[in-house]
Amino acid sequence: NAGVTQTPKFRILKIGQSMTLQCTQDMNHNYMYWYRQDPGMGLKLIYYSVGAGITDKGEVPNGYNVSRSTTEDFPLRLELAAPSQTSVYFCASSFHNEQFFGPGTRLTVL
Amino acid sequence: DQQVKQNSPSLSVQEGRISILNCDYTNSMFDYFLWYKKYPAEGPTFLISISSIKDKNEDGRFTVFLNKSAKHLSLHIVPSQPGDSAVYFCAALPLDSNYQLIWGAGTKLIIKP
Repeated sequence: NAGVTQTPKFRILKIGQSMTLQCTQDMNHNYMYWYRQDPGMGLKLIYYSVGAGITDKGEVPNGYNVSRSTTEDFPLRLELAAPSQTSVYFCASSFHNEQFFGPGTRLTVL
Repeated sequence: DQQVKQNSPSLSVQEGRISILNCDYTNSMFDYFLWYKKYPAEGPTFLISISSIKDKNEDGRFTVFLNKSAKHLSLHIVPSQPGDSAVYFCAALPLDSNYQLIWGAGTKLIIKP
C-alpha cells in the first residue's frame, strides 16, 4: 500500500500560470481532502469530497477547483496563480475520523 | 475566529522527562479530538484520538486527556525521546461535519538530549 501519493513535490509558478496538483490514494477511502498550510498556521481546508462525483467547498476555496471522477484520484486545479497561493498543499483521505496524508507539494508563486 | 487553539508555538523538554502539549477549543459541539505529529517535509501522521464521551485515552507512551468543562485537552508523552521532536497538531471534529477537521496552529516540540 502506497497510501496517499502527491505529485509534484515542488513547483515554482509565475503569476497567472495554471497547474494541477495530483493526489491518489489506494486505500479505497470515500473521503478525500485538500488542505493548505501557511507558515506558523494550522491546516486550512480548501475542498473535500465524500465520494466519486461529489465535491464541496471548504474554508478557503477561492482560486481553486477540484474534480473526483474516481475513488482513487482527487486533483486540485489552480487557475491564474497568485502570490497568495504560495503554500504547502496536502492531500488526505479517510474512511472515518482519522485522515491519512500525502507528503505535500510545496508551491511558490512568483 | 480560531475554534481550536494551541497557545504554545514551541516547547523544549529534556529527554526522558514528560512532555505536555495543550489545546483549547471554543465549540462545545466538537465530538472527537485527534492529535497529529508532523516531521519537516512530510505530511501529518495520526497519533492518538479521544471521543467526547471519554476523559482519557492511552496508547503506549502517549496519553490524551479531555476536560470538557474547561474545553481543554492535553497530550502527555512519557518518557520523551529524541524522535518525538516534531510539530504536534490538535484537531477537532464537529458533529455532522462530513469528517471536516478543525485544526490548531501546532506546537513545535524539541527534545533536548
